[in-house]
Amino acid sequence: DAEITQSPRHKITETGRQVTLACHQTWNHNNMFWYRQDLGHGLRLIHYSYGVQDTNKGEVSDGYSVSRSNTEDLPLTLESAASSQTSVYFCASSEGTGGTYEQYFGPGTRLTVT
Amino acid sequence: DQQVKQNSPSLSVQEGRISILNCDYTNSMFDYFLWYKKYPAEGPTFLISISSIKDKNEDGRFTVFLNKSAKHLSLHIVPSQPGDSAVYFCAASGRTNAGKSTFGDGTTLTVKP
Repeated sequence: DAEITQSPRHKITETGRQVTLACHQTWNHNNMFWYRQDLGHGLRLIHYSYGVQDTNKGEVSDGYSVSRSNTEDLPLTLESAASSQTSVYFCASSEGTGGTYEQYFGPGTRLTVT
Repeated sequence: DQQVKQNSPSLSVQEGRISILNCDYTNSMFDYFLWYKKYPAEGPTFLISISSIKDKNEDGRFTVFLNKSAKHLSLHIVPSQPGDSAVYFCAASGRTNAGKSTFGDGTTLTVKP
């Protein structure tokens, strides 16, 4: 069965370190998204991609970067982790344009920056 | 400026009764609306959606109603079951931002046995 996975599921890191969160999907979807979820803020879009070599900034992109070298993966990098980036991170994917816009989410990564 | 708002952070209903979750949006360019359900320690899962050319979509116990003039949609769950207890997110999308969705802050539904 197709799926979307995230690793690690839990991560503790120190302020200033670089951290990369992995996202892998086997749906063969063109669109991939990264969100963060904080109490009282719902899901906020960090970065997204509509295909290989395409990346775009979302509403809360400062301090984050992504790269899309193949269809299956969209890793999220925190260049220099800050305590404000402590959050739960969700990766999602969806079909290309013309679809129903339904997104398939991974299980999430809980990141703590100390 | 939040374009999708869920004004009720929480809702509690008795098992067997109707649950009504509400969502308001401000951007008239949105033409597709979705509801997602999220259990603790899991990712959100798609529940039901509606296109702006419709005013109602039904799937089993779940019905979504869309009032375009009021920029308001609601999710009805009838009858509510304890397993429906979760956080429900409203999301909006459109051709102008194809594939990208804007989410509300979520409503935590508790269904009491």
